[in-house]
Formats: sequence, C-alpha cells, structure tokens
Amino acid sequence: EVQLVESGGGLVQPGGSLRLSCAASGFSFSTYWMAWVRQAPGKGLEWVASIKEAGSETYYVDSVKGRFTIFRDDAKNSLYLQMNSLRAEDTAVYFCARGTWLQSKLYFDYWGQGTLVPVSS
Amino acid sequence: DIQLTQSPSFLSASVGDRVTITCRASQDISNYLAWYQQKPGKAPNLLICAASILQSGVPSRFSGSGSGTEFALTISSLQPEDFATYYCQQLGAYPLWTFGQGTKVEIK
Repeated sequence: EVQLVESGGGLVQPGGSLRLSCAASGFSFSTYWMAWVRQAPGKGLEWVASIKEAGSETYYVDSVKGRFTIFRDDAKNSLYLQMNSLRAEDTAVYFCARGTWLQSKLYFDYWGQGTLVPVSS
Repeated sequence: DIQLTQSPSFLSASVGDRVTITCRASQDISNYLAWYQQKPGKAPNLLICAASILQSGVPSRFSGSGSGTEFALTISSLQPEDFATYYCQQLGAYPLWTFGQGTKVEIK
C-alpha cells in the first residue's frame, strides 16, 4: 500500500525557517517524481515544488523561488522541503504527493495527509 | 502562466441530481487536465486524468469531457459521499502545474 506521511510542521515566526519531511513507503520511491502542494486555510490548492527522479531537476512556483528548496534522499525513501525566509502568506497545510506518468503527463496520484505550517509572530 | 477558472464556485444540489462543473483554461492545453475531489480535512483524490480517463476505483457516475480550453466534470447522479470540493488541474505548462480555485458541492 502506498503511503506518504508528512512531518515537521509547526508554528514559525516570519523570517524563520522550517524543514518538512515526507516518508514514503509501498512503492519504489527512487523511480518517481515527487511534489509539494499547499493549501492555505479555507483556500484552494497551490502547487509549490516538484523534483525529478534522483533529484536531477527541480521546479518551483514563482512565489517560493529562492526561499524554498525541494530535495530527496532515495536511500531513506524521503522527500523534504526546506523553507527559509517564511512569510505569513506561506501559512498552509503542506501535502506531499507522488507524480505518476499517465497518458504522457505527470499527475499526482497519491497524497499524504498534510502538515500544517502557521507563520505568525 | 496558464490560468484555470472553475464555475460555479459553489453549488447546492440534492442526492440524485445531475451536476456539471466547468473549468476554463486561459490557453489551449489540449487534454492535459485532471480533476480531484477533496473532502474536509483530507488530501485530494485524483478522479480523472487526460480530461476524460477515469481513475481505477472511481465510480462510473463521474465523467470528464472537453479539450483545448473548455472542460467539464459531470456527476450523473449525486450521492451523499460526493459532497466535497472539486478542483481541476492543468498539466499543459509542464513542469509547472496550476489548479482551479475549486467548486464546493453542498447538500441542498
């Protein structure tokens, strides 16, 4: 059974840093793209970042470029999101998602339960 | 950037109703569109990929249609477990993804 379990969320002050983790199991982690998607309280979904197999390519939404870093440790079947210079507008539940090729495009077919990151003083 | 606009944002319907949600893209994305269902406090669930291909395990009352800039998600006979928020997602600008703003389906 595919499982994605996020951790590392919690209250952080504006300007602070936080590292989120996502532990994967039930599939061959190293052969999949992975992504982070966030959802601000009461709002819609926003793709944040994605990483290719082996970490060879990474992509970010413009609003987090230069502040967030997505990386992976295939030996530990884990995905990470290093978040620096956090702002109030980064407050959200952060979901880890698996990317799967379907019909020649990458879709997010499995998601974790999410971890909440409130940014507030 | 490709923008997605869903309509309506909110929909009130009864069990057994036929419901259609539309998603409009700001430019041609071929059939590179997905639909997700999200229930309160839960992660999104992939329902449809490539605009019309139902994912394994998704009930056949769900269907997707469209291509180019106009897409639709239809629920042929709304069931109690279908009350949720639905999002479209474009993959035309791969490797950048965007979602629509969501459509909340509530019980009338």
